[in-house]
Amino acid sequence: GDSVTQMEGPVTLSEEAFLTINCTYTATGYPSLFWYVQYPGEGLQLLLKATKADDKGSNKGFEATYRKETTSFHLEKGSVQVSDSAVYFCALRNRGSNDYKLSFGAGTTVTVRA
Amino acid sequence: NAGVTQTPKFQVLKTGQSMTLQCAQDMNHEYMSWYRQDPGMGLRLIHYSVGAGITDQGEVPNGYNVSRSTTEDFPLRLLSAAPSQTSVYFCASSPGTGGQETQYFGPGTRLLVL
Repeated sequence: GDSVTQMEGPVTLSEEAFLTINCTYTATGYPSLFWYVQYPGEGLQLLLKATKADDKGSNKGFEATYRKETTSFHLEKGSVQVSDSAVYFCALRNRGSNDYKLSFGAGTTVTVRA
Repeated sequence: NAGVTQTPKFQVLKTGQSMTLQCAQDMNHEYMSWYRQDPGMGLRLIHYSVGAGITDQGEVPNGYNVSRSTTEDFPLRLLSAAPSQTSVYFCASSPGTGGQETQYFGPGTRLLVL
């Protein structure tokens, strides 16, 4: 079945540091890929998405490129801020799936220190 | 436009008690779903609905019931609560069932079963 593997945390960074969170997936067909973010005490919000190979999703300074050849969708940000402290989830949704569910990775907790 | 709303925010139950978690959306979305979030496991799909009157099981449906009498509402019922159901529950909706559709999440209900 479909699955997502993302790097384990927690990750602790200083402000203005470079952030990378690795995400790889296993899926049949042509999945869409997503990064969701969960700020403390809140629900999940869509951060960015890509729906086909070589697409780049971007939002709030974050970027991720859909790499079909390496089955990856790594999240990057060049200069993090304290406000980026959150849990980040990589997810896929497979158009070939009957239940239309999002398959999530386990989440990576990121803490940015001033 | 309130998006996806959930009530209650927090609930404590005793083993064997029943309760209903409420979820509503005002975006006229066809697809609605319930996930549970457990540490280190990401989110797992409990039940989903592709439209009013239609529901189906996800990955972890045991111990839960759902119904979808209107487009707006998708309540989740715990029939006889067990400590293993201690979790954070998220309701989500999307305009349709296409793989590229973004799912919008509610703020979550934190449930503790003693």
